[in-house]
Amino acid sequence: AQKVTQAQTEISVVEKEDVTLDCVYETRDTTYYLFWYKQPPSGELVFLIRRNSFDEQNEISGRYSWNFQKSTSSFNFTITASQVVDSAVYFCALSEGGRSQGNLIFGKGTKLSVKP
Amino acid sequence: NAGVTQTPKFQVLKTGQSMTLQCAQDMNHEYMSWYRQDPGMGLRLIHYSVGAGITDQGEVPNGYNVSRSTTEDFPLRLLSAAPSQTSVYFCASSSLLDGTDTQYFGPGTRLTVL
Repeated sequence: AQKVTQAQTEISVVEKEDVTLDCVYETRDTTYYLFWYKQPPSGELVFLIRRNSFDEQNEISGRYSWNFQKSTSSFNFTITASQVVDSAVYFCALSEGGRSQGNLIFGKGTKLSVKP
Repeated sequence: NAGVTQTPKFQVLKTGQSMTLQCAQDMNHEYMSWYRQDPGMGLRLIHYSVGAGITDQGEVPNGYNVSRSTTEDFPLRLLSAAPSQTSVYFCASSSLLDGTDTQYFGPGTRLTVL
């Protein structure tokens, strides 16, 4: 069965701390896509990154970085020097059927609170 | 482009009432879907469509109907609302032809069933 597990329900940090959000996935597909979405308190879903199963290079975008390891079926997300504006619920998701644009299986989300 | 739009933003229903949540996209996307978000549950797929006239069930389809008569619109119908359908509903769309594209989500509809 395909599944995404975000074991951390809530994380609280102080501004400027680094924080890593964990994501572990299960799939039988050889080709698959993984995603991270941010849901700020306003409620919309903001796309952060998409990674396909053939590309294990880590990615950095400003203060955000992602570590994809097929050997451990993990796709972890690190925020460096966190800011109050990073406070949100973060979802990791896996695409079904080996397509980037298809149905998504979401983890239950990790609520990040960054305190000043 | 307006992207993915959803109406209404908020709705309160009484048990047994019916209503339709509207979703529209102006990006000519083939794929559209509906998810519901419940506290502590993440988002779960209700129904999806890969083109006009084609729909299929997701993980939690019971109590919901959909149809896709045009590429742009993908309404979600609740025929007889139940308190268990209290949730936030998100519509999403994407292009099946563009390998670099991803899914675009609407702003959500917050539904309360009393």
